[in-house]
Amino acid sequence: QVHLVESGGGVVQPGRSLRLSCTASGFLFNTYNMHWVRQPPGKGLEGVATILYDGSMQGYADSVKGRFTISRDNSKSTLYLQMDGLRAEDTALYYCAQDNKQGSIDHWGQGTPVTVSS
Amino acid sequence: DVVLTQSPLSLPVTLGQPASISCRSSQSLVHSDGRTYLSWFQQRPGQSPRRLIYEASNRESGVPDRFSGSASGTDFTLKISRVEAEDVTVYFCLQGKYWPYTFGQGTKLEIK
Repeated sequence: QVHLVESGGGVVQPGRSLRLSCTASGFLFNTYNMHWVRQPPGKGLEGVATILYDGSMQGYADSVKGRFTISRDNSKSTLYLQMDGLRAEDTALYYCAQDNKQGSIDHWGQGTPVTVSS
Repeated sequence: DVVLTQSPLSLPVTLGQPASISCRSSQSLVHSDGRTYLSWFQQRPGQSPRRLIYEASNRESGVPDRFSGSASGTDFTLKISRVEAEDVTVYFCLQGKYWPYTFGQGTKLEIK
């Protein structure tokens, strides 16, 4: 059974940094592309970043390019999102999600909340 | 980035009656493997999204057959043949052909 558990969220001041983690279990982590998706309170979903199964390629939404970095440690079955230069508009619930290898998302974590406020 | 435009954003529905949601893509979502990388998700309050439809028209295992998906070029439709009370929530489309994956704005079903 696939299990994705996010951690690292919290309240942070504008301009500061935060690092999110997602611990995966129940599947061969090193064979799946992974995503971070966020959802601001009461709003829709936004794909934030994607990383190839072996970590060799990453993709970012324009809204976070140059500020966020996605990475993974396949030896620990863990996905990361380093968020620098945080802004109020980055306030959201951040989901870790498993790709299904055919252009969709199979499984989602429960999300970790990030609030950027002074 | 590929833009998915959902409509309507709010849909008044009558229980037992059909409902239809549209999702239009700014680019073709047909992959080189011949599959169409558009899926539909349902999200209930306080829950993570749940996939209903993948590759435009394939129903996920366990999803009631009142849900169906169709495609015509870059226009996609999610249909509910007879809306039940448990269906009154939010629906999103997702494209997975291009990185980063992008979502439609979401459609909220409401009781008329």
